[in-house]
Amino acid sequence: ILNVEQSPQSLHVQEGDSTSFTCSFPSSNFYALHWYRWETAKSPEALFVMTLNGDEKKKGRISATLNTKEGYSYLYIKGSQPEDSATYLCAFIHPFGNEKLTFGTGTRLTIIP
Amino acid sequence: EAQVTQNPRYLITVTGKKLTVTCSQNMNHEYMSWYRQDPGLGLRQIYYSMNVEVTDKGDVPEGYKVSRKEKRNFPLILESPSPNQTSLYFCASSPSSRGSNQPQHFGDGTRLSIL
Repeated sequence: ILNVEQSPQSLHVQEGDSTSFTCSFPSSNFYALHWYRWETAKSPEALFVMTLNGDEKKKGRISATLNTKEGYSYLYIKGSQPEDSATYLCAFIHPFGNEKLTFGTGTRLTIIP
Repeated sequence: EAQVTQNPRYLITVTGKKLTVTCSQNMNHEYMSWYRQDPGLGLRQIYYSMNVEVTDKGDVPEGYKVSRKEKRNFPLILESPSPNQTSLYFCASSPSSRGSNQPQHFGDGTRLSIL
C-alpha cells in the first residue's frame, strides 16, 4: 500500500487569514493527484485534478500546486471564510494504469469567526 | 439530476447475515469504486471497476465482493459481515475508465453497523 500523507492533521484559522496544507506522495512514477473537499455529513466533492509537474490550479479563493519531482502538493486558501471549514483530502492515483486510488487521511480545517 | 445513489443509507445488522449495498449512477460513467471511511484512517479503496465485467481489488478487499454486470450499477456484497466491517461506505464514479484524470463523484454514503 502506497503512503500518502497529509499535514497538518487539523488546523484552526482565523476568518480572513490565509492558510495552506500539504499532501506528500511517492515521487517515483507519478500519474495524477486529486484534491477533494469534504464537509461534515456530506460526501466528498472534487476540487482539482493535478497531472503535470508544476501544475497550478485555482478555483475562487482556493488554489493548488504540484511538485512531482519531490512528491508534494500544496493547497492554499486565501482569505478564509467560515464556509471553508471542512476536511481536505488528497488522493494519489497509482501509476501503471491500474487506476487504484490511495487517499491521505485529510486535513481538518476549522475557520474561527 | 446527475448523481450517484447508494442504498441503504443506514443499516444495523448482525454478524454473518449477508447484505448488499447498492450503488447506481446515471451519468454513463465507466469507472466506479467503493471506499470505506474509518476514523483516523481516511478513505480506503475496497474495489473498483474500469468497465462492465472488469473489477479489481483496492487496498482493503478482504470480506467484500463486487460485480459489474451493467454500466450503471456496482453493488457491494458482504457475504458474512463481521463487526470490523462496521464503517461508513462511499460509492463513487468517474467518466472514463482511466479514472486518474477525472475526479470522482461520490454518493451520499452508507453507514453500516455490524453487531
